[in-house]
Amino acid sequence: GQNIDQPTEMTATEGAIVQINCTYQTSGFNGLFWYQQHAGEAPTFLSYNVLDGLEEKGRFSSFLSRSKGYSYLLLKELQMKDSASYLCAVRGSGGGADGLTFGKGTHLIIQP
Amino acid sequence: DTEVTQTPKHLVMGMTNKKSLKCEQHMGHRAMYWYKQKAKKPPELMFVYSYEKLSINESVPSRFSPECPNSSLLNLHLHALQPEDSALYLCASSQGPPYNEQFFGPGTRLTVL
Repeated sequence: GQNIDQPTEMTATEGAIVQINCTYQTSGFNGLFWYQQHAGEAPTFLSYNVLDGLEEKGRFSSFLSRSKGYSYLLLKELQMKDSASYLCAVRGSGGGADGLTFGKGTHLIIQP
Repeated sequence: DTEVTQTPKHLVMGMTNKKSLKCEQHMGHRAMYWYKQKAKKPPELMFVYSYEKLSINESVPSRFSPECPNSSLLNLHLHALQPEDSALYLCASSQGPPYNEQFFGPGTRLTVL
């Protein structure tokens, strides 16, 4: 089975930096994903890590440590439009097309 | 074309109705997925199709019946649903191996009366 934990809610200030943590315990692992979801909309892909280390993509970076079962999403130069839920998701190790198991999501509130 | 489309956007149905949700992608992706998302909850996997064959069924009740007529289309047939089945139904697709990024459609908001 999969157990994925992330904080329920975080608040940050416009222009600042925020780090959203995710820990996971899984029976198999074939990649960790971060998605952004605005209320009433579909999830939008942000990043993917399968090897240890940092992946950077513009204002967003994601880090993975497989030995610790830990990932974080780092958002820089926060904008009001970054207010959304951020979902950490793990893919199993079936080798084929596996669905994603999502954490409960972190609701990020950006204040002026 | 780099998107997944879903129809209808909204659907209201009674418990005795039969309806279908449709999903389409023209990105040449060979894996397609159905997820269910209740309010303020994360998406939950229902079905996975790989190369037009059902590869994963997450113990979904038989009142939900998936179908993959071809590599671009994915349907979800609904029959005798319950009010607790009301949710946002999301379709996603991903390329063949290594099946990384999943692209999500906008979803169908289903209400069962």
